[in-house]
Amino acid sequence: RKEVEQDPGPFNVPEGATVAFNCTYSNSASQSFFWYRQDCRKEPKLLMSVYSSGNEDGRFTAQLNRASQYISLLIRDSKLSDSATYLCVVNGSGGGADGLTFGKGTHLIIQP
Amino acid sequence: GAVVSQHPSRVICKSGTSVKIECRSLDFQATTMFWYRQFPKQSLMLMATSNEGSKATYEQGVEKDKFLINHASLTLSTLTVTSAHPEDSSFYICSAARGRSPYEQYFGPGTRLTVT
Repeated sequence: RKEVEQDPGPFNVPEGATVAFNCTYSNSASQSFFWYRQDCRKEPKLLMSVYSSGNEDGRFTAQLNRASQYISLLIRDSKLSDSATYLCVVNGSGGGADGLTFGKGTHLIIQP
Repeated sequence: GAVVSQHPSRVICKSGTSVKIECRSLDFQATTMFWYRQFPKQSLMLMATSNEGSKATYEQGVEKDKFLINHASLTLSTLTVTSAHPEDSSFYICSAARGRSPYEQYFGPGTRLTVT
């Protein structure tokens, strides 16, 4: 089983729509969870950390379900500039700064 | 804040030569820096973890004698690809972690290495 699994997409959605991504992770001892976005041939940029209670940042809402080892990202009122690959990322189980484990990413295309 | 620079952004070298890549955290001190590699259409794969003043920890399957890491200060880490071969051609990205939970990592812009 892959450590972090995501639906690769692509997701083609019209501008203004709401879109949701899901991710599962295999290491139950993982401590920290993130969503990054990566544009073509660029480095990943941190979108948001994901907290157990769920958290929201503007149009973006992230949820974590530790029991199911499941992470989600919801994007409301999608913009053309949201087109990118969204990476589900999990930190290690050792606490502190560990290397990140990346999913392969979900490709999102927002259409005008 | 949280800017990480990486140099060079692109390098083409001949097989058998060595290439050094620099990673700097510009506006914060990074307790730990990481080196990743990404092949086309693949996810980022962690190569090694680097702490200032100590030896790097390499992931399984990554040759420490081929990928030399030096972490000279809290703001600078270097990766040297020694005796490069065409199969080392990849996108190399560094990241730097702040020293507090949840230890978010900030990535440099990456270095695209092509070995001919």
